Amino acid sequence: DIQMTQSPSSLSASVGDRVTITCQASQDISNYLNWYQQKPGKAPKLLIYDASNLETGVPSRFSGSGSGTDFTFTISSLQPEDIATYYCQQYDNLPPDTFGQGTKLEIK
Amino acid sequence: EVQLVETGGGLIQPGGSLRLSCAASGFTVSSNYMSWVRQAPGKGLEWVSVIYSGGSTYYADSVKGRFTISRDNSKNTLYLQMNSLRAEDTAVYYCVYQIIWGQGTMVTVSS
Repeated sequence: DIQMTQSPSSLSASVGDRVTITCQASQDISNYLNWYQQKPGKAPKLLIYDASNLETGVPSRFSGSGSGTDFTFTISSLQPEDIATYYCQQYDNLPPDTFGQGTKLEIK
Repeated sequence: EVQLVETGGGLIQPGGSLRLSCAASGFTVSSNYMSWVRQAPGKGLEWVSVIYSGGSTYYADSVKGRFTISRDNSKNTLYLQMNSLRAEDTAVYYCVYQIIWGQGTMVTVSS
């Protein structure tokens, strides 16, 4: 199974800050990577698919990049409503759908 | 509109059984693969099982031999039969179709 290593596990930042989360796959997954946002008590919501494509309706301050084994998720200017936990997910080699461990984002 | 609604969660004693249902609308459950993903309290997302359009099924090692995924095309519903439940199976269980997630149903295994 492909392992996804996501870092950091938690992050504290100020409103307006640029925030970056990384995800590393244990083997080449091309660009078959999603980024999800999950708020407490809610199901995950897709933000980025195919590593860098913004899902419809998602604000442009969210972006993703990378291919192969190394991926990055960025919020260009952190907003209070972005407080959530973020997960990467690979879908190159299924099953299983493999998720990163998550990054809990808090406001400083 | 594609929608998934899970039901069937609840409090169950260790060793007991429970069947989760996921009623789908806006698409046909047999048209593509569908998955169950769970999330233990305060923990991350864990893939549990998948059923492909051709009927092939796969399971996480942690549930293999205890859980069974199935679907009823006539009811357009996905199921997860969970037997021999353990405390560590306590989680919110989500039904997933492509990028669409249900709202989740809570399963608590406790005496």
